[in-house]
Amino acid sequence: DTGVSQDPRHKITKRGQNVTFRCDPISEHNRLYWYRQTLGQGPEFLTYFQNEAQLEKSRLLSDRFSAERPKGSFSTLEIQRTEQGDSAMYLCASSSGLAGVSEQFFGPGTRLTVL
Amino acid sequence: QKEVEQNSGPLSVPEGAIASLNCTYSDRGSQSFFWYRQYSGKSPELIMFIYSNGDKEDGRFTAQLNKASQYVSLLIRDSQPSDSATYLCAASGSARQLTFGSGTQLTVLP
Repeated sequence: DTGVSQDPRHKITKRGQNVTFRCDPISEHNRLYWYRQTLGQGPEFLTYFQNEAQLEKSRLLSDRFSAERPKGSFSTLEIQRTEQGDSAMYLCASSSGLAGVSEQFFGPGTRLTVL
Repeated sequence: QKEVEQNSGPLSVPEGAIASLNCTYSDRGSQSFFWYRQYSGKSPELIMFIYSNGDKEDGRFTAQLNKASQYVSLLIRDSQPSDSATYLCAASGSARQLTFGSGTQLTVLP
């Protein structure tokens, strides 16, 4: 399977715990995006990498959230001191970054439940 | 005000009919527009994109863009029960990230 992969697919945690999610983009895609989706809403942008550089971060993103893409390949998203409001589907997408329109392809997502 | 608005659903059409999904956007800097399909509990799946005014056809799907009216639509011809899903409209500008609408839930009745 050469699509975007995410791990874990489901995570249940208690409030106050830290969680980390991983995303492996489509190989040779140099752009990687994180989104969050809650029930009944469209995905909401969190942050974006081009290669290893984090180029943009949503103003809505709490300081408890941090993302890395250390070698320009896979990425991790960490949420510290989780809150019940963090419960959502966390989606990763990648794109080729070529000039012109660059379609984003999504992974299966990680569903987070904070108890 | 949300930057991308989609027509309120849910929308039901009979099998074989044309389903029409609409979307408006507020940012005139938006350059490209994408339609995604999302089945319940799954992640969004790209259907097609459009960036030039006019129509773009791909199989049973036709995307339409009118930049003057800031309007995007998706037509699904010969709708099938397997087309029942939530359809998400998204806009992209120079910043590259996608701004999504809330989605329109489509049900195709056999």
